[in-house]
Amino acid sequence: DIQMTQSPSSLSASVGDRVTITCRASQSISTYLNWYQQKPGKAPKLLIYTASSLESGVPSRFSGSETGTDFTLTISSLQPEDFATYYCQQSYSTPQTFGQGTKLEIK
Amino acid sequence: EVQVLESGGGLVQPGGSLRLSCAASGFTFSSFAMSWVRQAPGKGLEWVSAIGGAYVGTYYADSVKGRFTISRDNSKNTVYLQMNSLRAEDTAIYYCAKLGGLRPYWGQGTLVTVSS
Repeated sequence: DIQMTQSPSSLSASVGDRVTITCRASQSISTYLNWYQQKPGKAPKLLIYTASSLESGVPSRFSGSETGTDFTLTISSLQPEDFATYYCQQSYSTPQTFGQGTKLEIK
Repeated sequence: EVQVLESGGGLVQPGGSLRLSCAASGFTFSSFAMSWVRQAPGKGLEWVSAIGGAYVGTYYADSVKGRFTISRDNSKNTVYLQMNSLRAEDTAIYYCAKLGGLRPYWGQGTLVTVSS
């Protein structure tokens, strides 16, 4: 199985900050990497698919990038509604494993 | 428009059984693998099971292997998860999802509570 190592597990930041969350795959997954945002009591919301494609309706302050087996989610300027938990997920092979999640909290 | 809709959740006693259903539309259902993902209270997302599209293969997390069975009916665009010998630790929201391909699609989830 492909292991997805996500970091950090938690992060405190302020409105307006630039934030980066990283996911590392244990082997090559090409660009088959998705990023989700989840708020309490809600289903995961797709932000980014295939590493860097922005889902329709998602603000452009969210972006994704890839370097080999390292993937990054960047929020360019945090807004109050961005405080949530973020997950990466590889869709290269079954099981389509998830990262452990990053809880983004207000500083 | 792609839609994924789960049903069948509820309260069940430990050792009991439950069958979840997931109806999908808006894409060529038989061409894609479908998955179940769960989230226990306060925990992260856990992949549970998957089933291939036209070339049917089934896959399970170690935590459910031997207790859960995934199946699909391509004529009804529906995937099922039969859950037997349920344990308290199976309590979670269960999501059905098309995780493969270029873009994933998820349902809104169905709650399974295992408690006496």
